[in-house]
Order: sequence, then C-alpha cells, then structure tokens
Amino acid sequence: DAKTTQPNSMESNEEEPVHLPCNHSTISGTDYIHWYRQLPSQGPEYVIHGLTSNVNNRMASLAIAEDRKSSTLILHRATLRDAAVYYCILRPPGTGGTSYGKLTFGQGTILTVHP
Amino acid sequence: DADVTQTPRNRITKTGKRIMLECSQTKGHDRMYWYRQDPGLGLQLIYYSFDVKDINKGEISDGYSVSRQAQAKFSLSLESAIPNQTALYFCATSDSVGGYTFGSGTRLTVV
Repeated sequence: DAKTTQPNSMESNEEEPVHLPCNHSTISGTDYIHWYRQLPSQGPEYVIHGLTSNVNNRMASLAIAEDRKSSTLILHRATLRDAAVYYCILRPPGTGGTSYGKLTFGQGTILTVHP
Repeated sequence: DADVTQTPRNRITKTGKRIMLECSQTKGHDRMYWYRQDPGLGLQLIYYSFDVKDINKGEISDGYSVSRQAQAKFSLSLESAIPNQTALYFCATSDSVGGYTFGSGTRLTVV
C-alpha cells in the first residue's frame, strides 16, 4: 500500500485557518486521498476525500497538488473542537485488485488549537 | 441511533476467557471492518468483510476470529484472551470508494 507522510504535530490559534500537509509521493493513479480525524477515546471521523480535483464540504477543504504527490487539508476557522489527530490515508479503489479499498492508518498529525 | 453501534462499550475480562465484541450498522453498506488501537498508536486492521460470504484477514488477525451474521452485523471474538489484547477496538463500515463510518469503540481490558 502507498504510504503517506505527515508532520507529527501542529499548533494553531482559535479562529485562524489551519493547513495540514500530507505527502504521498508513491500514490497510484487510482488511489483516493482520504482524511479522518480522531478525538481522544473516540472513533475516527471521516472528514473529506478526493481523487484529483479540490474538494469542499461543510467540515473542510481538500487541496490536491496537480501531480497528486501531496495534498493539504484546510480547516478554514479552527475551533477548540478541531483539536484531534488527523490522518491522511490513501485508499485504493474498492472495485477490484488486491487492496480492496482498505484504509491503512499511519501515525497522523496531532493538532493543538490554542484559545 | 448511531450509524455503527458497538457493544459492549467497556469490558474487563480475565486471561483465557472467550469474549465476543458485537457490531451492527444501519448504513446499508456491504463492507465491514474491525480495527484495534493501542495507546498512542494508529489503528491496525484485524479482519475485513466485503459481504456475508467474504471474510479476509487483516494485518493482525492472530488470536482473533470473526463472524458476519448478516449484512448489518459483524462480530469479533477473542477465543482465549491474553493481556496484550488489551486495547480499543473499532468497527467500521464503508462502500467501495467513500468514507468509512466508525463506531464509538469498545475498550477491552484483559487482566
């Protein structure tokens, strides 16, 4: 499975934008880029995913580099409730092949939000 | 009701006991997964199932077994629990390309 590289930790101030980077230089052409976050003692929560184009939803935006070797999760105005571990994960397509669309978790980025 | 429900939420069991963790989902997805998380670490895949008749081992399946009783139900068993199986266990469901939905987890302690 292709791997991702994320900073171990990042800090932000409340109500400021946060840009969480992810490198995935070995991404294949059919891998989807997924982002999840996990609060302490809770299950991971889906944030956003994309393939080639930038994506927006109510939680965040995902900016994907043109060569797809990196991506950035953007939280437009951080709140204290956004403090969590953020995981960037490549998901192979789930419609065939040996990877069958599995998620393989790395260590993620610990985001601290200061009041 | 939650999309993915795990029971029990917390369990303390003794070494050598058999224990079953249960998971049910209302998303209508075919795919279900069991993950384990140790303190301070990411999630590791134990087993996954793409439909009732398809069950596959993940990265760390030794010491675990699963049963897919129906599209919506996927249970994880520890046949003879040991202390290093103390961890948080998460069940999840997904379609073929979209986001996973995770349960709230079961905190298992083996003493």
